[in-house]
Amino acid sequence: GQNIDQPTEMTATEGAIVQINCTYQTSGFNGLFWYQQHAGEAPTFLSYNVLDGLEEKGRFSSFLSRSKGYSYLLLKELQMKDSASYLCAAMDSNYQLIWGAGTKLIIKP
Amino acid sequence: IAGITQAPTSQILAAGRRMTLRCTQDMRHNAMYWYRQDLGLGLRLIHYSNTAGTTGKGEVPDGYSVSRANTDDFPLTLASAVPSQTSVYFCASRNTGGSTDTQYFGPGTRLTVL
Repeated sequence: GQNIDQPTEMTATEGAIVQINCTYQTSGFNGLFWYQQHAGEAPTFLSYNVLDGLEEKGRFSSFLSRSKGYSYLLLKELQMKDSASYLCAAMDSNYQLIWGAGTKLIIKP
Repeated sequence: IAGITQAPTSQILAAGRRMTLRCTQDMRHNAMYWYRQDLGLGLRLIHYSNTAGTTGKGEVPDGYSVSRANTDDFPLTLASAVPSQTSVYFCASRNTGGSTDTQYFGPGTRLTVL
């Protein structure tokens, strides 16, 4: 079957670095997405990886290993506004997104 | 309009009533999606449409129907609402000709069925 696993909750300190892991199993693969979702709001696109390696975009980076079915989202220089849920989603062979339940990131001062 | 709009923002509905959630996008995206999001669960696909005039069933289609008469609009109808349909509903769209296949989301509709 198709499945996405990511931790339910993580806590980190303002100014620090945090890595959110995601493992996936899909029927076919057309890319791995990370979205940010603040409480009560819609998910917003953060990153997309389809090839192995690291994609850097400002304070946020995303990594993909297709052979391991593994991705992570790295957030540097954490700010209080980064407190949100981070959703991992893999696109299957039908171009449908399979979603993880999300990781709630709590930032402490 | 810029992006995707959904209406209503929130609604309280009596069980057994019919309800249509509206979704409109102005980005000329080919594909559109309806998801529901429940606490502790990932986004679950209800129905999708890859292009105007076509629709398909997602993971949790029972009790819901959709239509795609044109590119911009993708309404979701609950024929006879039940309490288990209490959820937050998100509409999304994707440009199938784009380089990243990114889905963009509307602001959501919070539906409570009593």
